[in-house]
Amino acid sequence: KAGVTQTPRYLIKTRGQQVTLSCSPISGHRSVSWYQQTPGQGLQFLFEYFSETQRNKGNFPGRFSGRQFSNSRSEMNVSTLELGDSALYLCASSLVGHEQYFGPGTRLTVT
Amino acid sequence: DQQVKQNSPSLSVQEGRISILNCDYTNSMFDYFLWYKKYPAEGPTFLISISSIKDKNEDGRFTVFLNKSAKHLSLHIVPSQPGDSAVYFCAASAIAGNQFYFGTGTSLTVIP
Repeated sequence: KAGVTQTPRYLIKTRGQQVTLSCSPISGHRSVSWYQQTPGQGLQFLFEYFSETQRNKGNFPGRFSGRQFSNSRSEMNVSTLELGDSALYLCASSLVGHEQYFGPGTRLTVT
Repeated sequence: DQQVKQNSPSLSVQEGRISILNCDYTNSMFDYFLWYKKYPAEGPTFLISISSIKDKNEDGRFTVFLNKSAKHLSLHIVPSQPGDSAVYFCAASAIAGNQFYFGTGTSLTVIP
């Protein structure tokens, strides 16, 4: 079974721009979660989608948004990028109530 | 507010000895706990989990212990191997939901 894939793997953007990251979950997994990882902060939960609906949301500003498609693929969008948004963005998929499987992440650098 | 805490940012252990990684949580609603291992430039990899109905779960060299009264869990790796060198994250959730809370990670170095 193929794992979680994320595209692109690396991205460089300028302050004020917007960015869209993509995640394809493991086949059969309907829950997709997004995390931001920065040094010293661990994995900060952004949001979780299940069957195209956002079920849980972390404590991030409204500039961070996401969506999930009918095939369970998910996208995350960050608008009006700030320098502090530079991070590794991780996507994870799971069967509900079970462990999450992570993709390799997208390394976003904002200059 | 960090609901899951790993107070040791780093740990060094000799090859063949035991590695003990610790994790504390504050939310008494958490009933499912997991450990992940992360290498640089890769996403975290699931290692082992435990539900609150158990106090111990083993998988090969890895054992997780849960002390619900102390809101504490630990991961034991015996014997430690150089390939175990990585960052280890603990995570917790309430099974009713699907939101996982992660600690800040402990960087384990196993010295050959």
